Amino acid sequence: AQSVAQPEDQVNVAEGNPLTVKCTYSVSGNPYLFWYVQYPNRGLQFLLKYITGDNLVKGSYGFEAEFNKSQTSFHLKKPSALVSDSALYFCAVRNNNNDMRFGAGTRLTVKP
Amino acid sequence: DSGVTQTPKHLITATGQRVTLRCSPRSGDLSVYWYQQSLDQGLQFLIQYYNGEERAKGNILERFSAQQFPDLHSELNLSSLELGDSALYFCASSVALAGSEEQYFGPGTRLTVT
Repeated sequence: AQSVAQPEDQVNVAEGNPLTVKCTYSVSGNPYLFWYVQYPNRGLQFLLKYITGDNLVKGSYGFEAEFNKSQTSFHLKKPSALVSDSALYFCAVRNNNNDMRFGAGTRLTVKP
Repeated sequence: DSGVTQTPKHLITATGQRVTLRCSPRSGDLSVYWYQQSLDQGLQFLIQYYNGEERAKGNILERFSAQQFPDLHSELNLSSLELGDSALYFCASSVALAGSEEQYFGPGTRLTVT
């Protein structure tokens, strides 16, 4: 069975500093990996995904993520955080069985 | 705005009752997914439909059922409601079936069971 772990419930960074939100996964076969963001009282919004190819994936709002097969990780990064990036971030994994598994979520707070 | 609509936004009902949540996917999307988000369980995949047919099942209780209609809108039926069913229910859609496709989420229906 596939699973996703987001080891940090909360990440705090100062505006302008780089941010990393961690994600590790377990799946049989080749994974499809996703990051979504949820703002208060809103549905999830797609940020980026990894299917195959280049391990560094670029997405919306300046976010990027690095796929590391040996470490089964897919950490979300941004070089310079904004206060408006404060939200709940979800990592998700899916295989061809179409069963999408989400991590528990990491609350990112960017302080001015 | 994702283009996915869900009604109603809020629903308050009593234990033992039955409710229906409705979802309209983005124009052109054939797949619809249902999720439950609660504080203790996190975001749980419930069920997926593609072009009217059930294609994948997650942690959906037997008291819950769903269907997708010919116009591609979907309904999630929750019956014999319990206090623990109180949660945010999200619908999402994608163009087709591939596991590599991103999903577009609606704003959710907040269900409160009293």
